[in-house]
Amino acid sequence: AQSVTQLDSQVPVFEEAPVELRCNYSSSVSVYLFWYVQYPNQGLQLLLKYLSGSTLVKGINGFEAEFNKSQTSFHLRKPSVHISDTAEYFCAVSEGFTGTASKLTFGTGTRLQVTL
Amino acid sequence: NAGVTQTPKFRVLKTGQSMTLLCAQDMNHEYMYWYRQDPGMGLRLIHYSVGEGTTAKGEVPDGYNVSRLKKQNFLLGLESAAPSQTSVYFCASSSQGRRTDTQYFGPGTRLTVL
Repeated sequence: AQSVTQLDSQVPVFEEAPVELRCNYSSSVSVYLFWYVQYPNQGLQLLLKYLSGSTLVKGINGFEAEFNKSQTSFHLRKPSVHISDTAEYFCAVSEGFTGTASKLTFGTGTRLQVTL
Repeated sequence: NAGVTQTPKFRVLKTGQSMTLLCAQDMNHEYMYWYRQDPGMGLRLIHYSVGEGTTAKGEVPDGYNVSRLKKQNFLLGLESAAPSQTSVYFCASSSQGRRTDTQYFGPGTRLTVL
């Protein structure tokens, strides 16, 4: 089974500062990685995903993530955050489950708190 | 196009009561999923469905039942609620069950069992 580790449970940052949210995974097979965002009292929304190809993946709202196979990492970055980026961010890896189904294995989440 | 919707948004139950959570999607997706979200644990898969009339167990299925009588709906049932089932429940759907597919999530149902 694969696993995902998000080392930081909370990341406080000032508005317009850069931010990096860390994600490490364990996998012995080909990896498909996702970042989801959960705004307060809402469901999860896909930010970006890595399937193959370029290791730098660009997503919505100015976020990007870099897949690093040697370090088994998929860190999320944004060069300048806004108050509206305050949310919970989840890293996830997709793995085969049973039969033809797959499932997402999520990290425990990182709460990004942006202040003025 | 509403995407994935969930009913109800909030519910409080007493221990031993039963209830059904409804998930609906209008994207004609084959696969649907139920997850629960607990503090410090991320989301865990309860049950899933690969198509109309089919369901299967996920990682934490005990105490829950599901049904998918129509392709667009996926119901999660609690026959006898327990305090350990206090959680936020999310439904998701994807076009197929491939590892590369994006799962689309509903807004969640916050359930408290007293």
